[in-house]
Amino acid sequence: DAKTTQPNSMESNEEEPVHLPCNHSTISGTDYIHWYRQLPSQGPEYVIHGLTSNVNNRMASLAIAEDRKSSTLILHRATLRDAAVYYCILIPPGTYKYIFGTGTRLKVLA
Amino acid sequence: DGGITQSPKYLFRKEGQNVTLSCEQNLNHDAMYWYRQDPGQGLRLIYYSQIVNDFQKGDIAEGYSVSREKKESFPLTVTSAQKNPTAFYLCASSIPSPGSTFFGQGTRLTVV
Repeated sequence: DAKTTQPNSMESNEEEPVHLPCNHSTISGTDYIHWYRQLPSQGPEYVIHGLTSNVNNRMASLAIAEDRKSSTLILHRATLRDAAVYYCILIPPGTYKYIFGTGTRLKVLA
Repeated sequence: DGGITQSPKYLFRKEGQNVTLSCEQNLNHDAMYWYRQDPGQGLRLIYYSQIVNDFQKGDIAEGYSVSREKKESFPLTVTSAQKNPTAFYLCASSIPSPGSTFFGQGTRLTVV
């Protein structure tokens, strides 16, 4: 299973953009890149996913490097409610097995 | 509302007792999962099921058992053989990638 590497923690000021990095140098050509986040004492929630092109949705943007060995989750204006653990996961197509690492704990400062 | 329901939210048991955690989904998803999360740690996969009447062990299946008799339900039994059962347990369901996975709100099990 391809692995991802994320910083253990990051801090951001409220209302500023946040860039959360993820390295996945062993990604295969067909692995999807998924991001989830987990608020305290809750189950993780889906944020965004992509394959090769950059993706945007109402929650965030996903920037994928041209060689796909890294990606960045972008929160355009961090709020206190964005404080959570963010997980970057690689998912082969058609698979059911998701493997979560320890993620990045984002702290948002008021 | 479509989603995944885990019950109860908090559960206390005495050491040596088996306990069953409930997980129900009305999303019509084929796949369901159980994860365990310890404080400050990531999620570890216990069991997963891709279809009714079939399930596979994850990375930490020892001391746990599951059943999948109905598409909507995937109960997890924490047996007395599990050495450190106190943890936060998360149930999830999904369609095959690239679809997203939906999680329940978790059951916090404390064994005393």
